[in-house]
Amino acid sequence: DIQMTQSPSSLSASVGDRVTITCRASQSISSHLNWYQQKPGQAPKLLIYAASHLQSGVPSRFSGSGSGTDFTLTISSLQLGDFATYYCQQSYSAPQITFGQGTRLDIK
Amino acid sequence: VQLVQSGAEVKKPGASVKLACKASGYRFTNHGIQWVRQVPGQNLEWMGWINAGNGDTKYSQKFQGRVTITRDTSASTVSLDLGSLKSEDTAVYYCARDEGWWLDPWGQGTLVTVSS
Repeated sequence: DIQMTQSPSSLSASVGDRVTITCRASQSISSHLNWYQQKPGQAPKLLIYAASHLQSGVPSRFSGSGSGTDFTLTISSLQLGDFATYYCQQSYSAPQITFGQGTRLDIK
Repeated sequence: VQLVQSGAEVKKPGASVKLACKASGYRFTNHGIQWVRQVPGQNLEWMGWINAGNGDTKYSQKFQGRVTITRDTSASTVSLDLGSLKSEDTAVYYCARDEGWWLDPWGQGTLVTVSS
């Protein structure tokens, strides 16, 4: 099974900060990497697909990059609504998928 | 495009639960459906997948033998059956449309509580 490791597990930041979350795969997954945002009590929401493609309706302050085993999600200027938990997910072995353990982003 | 899941369930250990996920706004048979669960405060965990077109399924080894995913094309609904429930199965269960490589959208989730 492909393991996904996110870092950090949690992060405190302020409105306006630039934030980067990292996701590492246990083997090469090409660009088959997606990012989701989950707020408390809500279902996950797709932000970025295929490593770097912004889902329709998602603000442009979100961006993704990487290929192979190392990927990043960047939020260029944090807004209040961005404080949430973020998950990466590999689809290289789809339909058998795996998620990272999540990165909780809190207000500093 | 929307996935609407059935309501919360409370079950006793050893029982089974059947959850429903009704799709609308797209051609049901053109997309698979994934099932993912989340134990409170923990990570997202993949359970299984169904090809809504031909009914092919694939399950996580962790749940093999006690999970069954089926679909009803006439009702645009996918169901997840989980048997031999344990307290550790208390979780929110999500369905999500499989876009081939990513999941979008997700259902609102169904809380299953397993308690004696």
